[in-house]
Amino acid sequence: EAQVTQNPRYLITVTGKKLTVTCSQNMNHEYMSWYRQDPGLGLRQIYYSMNVEVTDKGDVPEGYKVSRKEKRNFPLILESPSPNQTSLYFCASRFLSPIGSEQYFGPGTRLTVT
Amino acid sequence: AQTVTQSQPEMSVQEAETVTLSCTYDTSESDYYLFWYKQPPSRQMILVIRQEAYKQQNATENRFSVNFQKAAKSFSLKISDSQLGDAAMYFCAYRSGTQGGSEKLVFGKGTKLTVNP
Repeated sequence: EAQVTQNPRYLITVTGKKLTVTCSQNMNHEYMSWYRQDPGLGLRQIYYSMNVEVTDKGDVPEGYKVSRKEKRNFPLILESPSPNQTSLYFCASRFLSPIGSEQYFGPGTRLTVT
Repeated sequence: AQTVTQSQPEMSVQEAETVTLSCTYDTSESDYYLFWYKQPPSRQMILVIRQEAYKQQNATENRFSVNFQKAAKSFSLKISDSQLGDAAMYFCAYRSGTQGGSEKLVFGKGTKLTVNP
């Protein structure tokens, strides 16, 4: 089954404790992206990657890191989480061509930073 | 920068009736894609319908259809014969058709749809 998986689905942590949210897709997509969803703000892009070893900042990158060492994986790293990073996080992927190709979303990760 | 506006934070509809959700967007581009996503209580993002800007014909997917007005930069979603399972948050989204950028989806803030039995 074609899918994007994220782990963990739920995480409660404390300020400053490094964490990683994993994202993996089995569709051989070049493009992968992370979004955060906050009430009243919709979804906003954090980071994206066009292919292996090619990553760039989205609209709200502060406090986050990513890496793309393998095509299928795109982990989101919070080196020192803060309460304002409490949010619902989505990983997404798609083929870069054709340009109108559908974007697939993971199930989301609910993160709470206390 | 492109922006997407959903002016209705909440809407309600009676089961089996029709409801229209509004979306407007702002862009200077001529080539782009528009989407409606459904987010049920499970939080999964589900693609409902998509529209290519170069296509004049409005997209339709079963009970879901759009009214795409390119000149007015309007992209409304019509849900016919509403069902209880249609209750969800609906997001309108825009993506540029120009290659080389972030390829991001620009989302509106969402409309919460309630379906009353």
